Amino acid sequence: DAGVTQSPTHLIKTRGQHVTLRCSPISGHKSVSWYQQVLGQGPQFIFQYYEKEERGRGNFPDRFSARQFPNYSSELNVNALLLGDSALYLCASSLERTSYEQYFGPGTRLTVT
Amino acid sequence: KNQVEQSPQSLIILEGKNCTLQCNYTVSPFSNLRWYKQDTGRGPVSLTIMTFSENTKSNGRYTATLDADTKQSSLHITASQLSDSASYICVVTYSGAGSYQLTFGKGTKLSVIP
Repeated sequence: DAGVTQSPTHLIKTRGQHVTLRCSPISGHKSVSWYQQVLGQGPQFIFQYYEKEERGRGNFPDRFSARQFPNYSSELNVNALLLGDSALYLCASSLERTSYEQYFGPGTRLTVT
Repeated sequence: KNQVEQSPQSLIILEGKNCTLQCNYTVSPFSNLRWYKQDTGRGPVSLTIMTFSENTKSNGRYTATLDADTKQSSLHITASQLSDSASYICVVTYSGAGSYQLTFGKGTKLSVIP
């Protein structure tokens, strides 16, 4: 059974552009969470989606948005990219909203130049 | 403010030796505490999960302890191997007032050398 998958694996964008990152959860998992991990730091929580609704939001500007589709896959969108948005973006899936276990994907490495 | 502090920031040990990583947290109300292993550029992989009622949990050569009264946890690695070289991240879950959120520590970077 496939784990959490994310695409693309790497991405290079310039300041001001827009980016869309994609995540497919483990089959049967209904909750998807997004995290930003800057080099040398722990992951920072961005969003949690459960049953296609936003259930949690971290301290990120409105340039960051996300959605979850009927098949529970998810997209993270970032507008007006800044240099500081360069990071590893991690997606994690869990069976339910408050499940103990979260399974992380390999991440998308975004570089903003 | 909910915080998770890990120490040391980095650690170098010889292959075969044991080591202990520390995690202190101020998250309240506390739901559970997890330790993850993260290889460079990869997603974190869960090692252990403990609720407030659990004092210790093992996963092979990894043993985690939790003292919910002092809000401290440790991860002990025995007979270290070169493949243990990674960042180890402590994650505490906040669950209250209809909110459910994970707070991550910055991690301890472990290097195991021959």
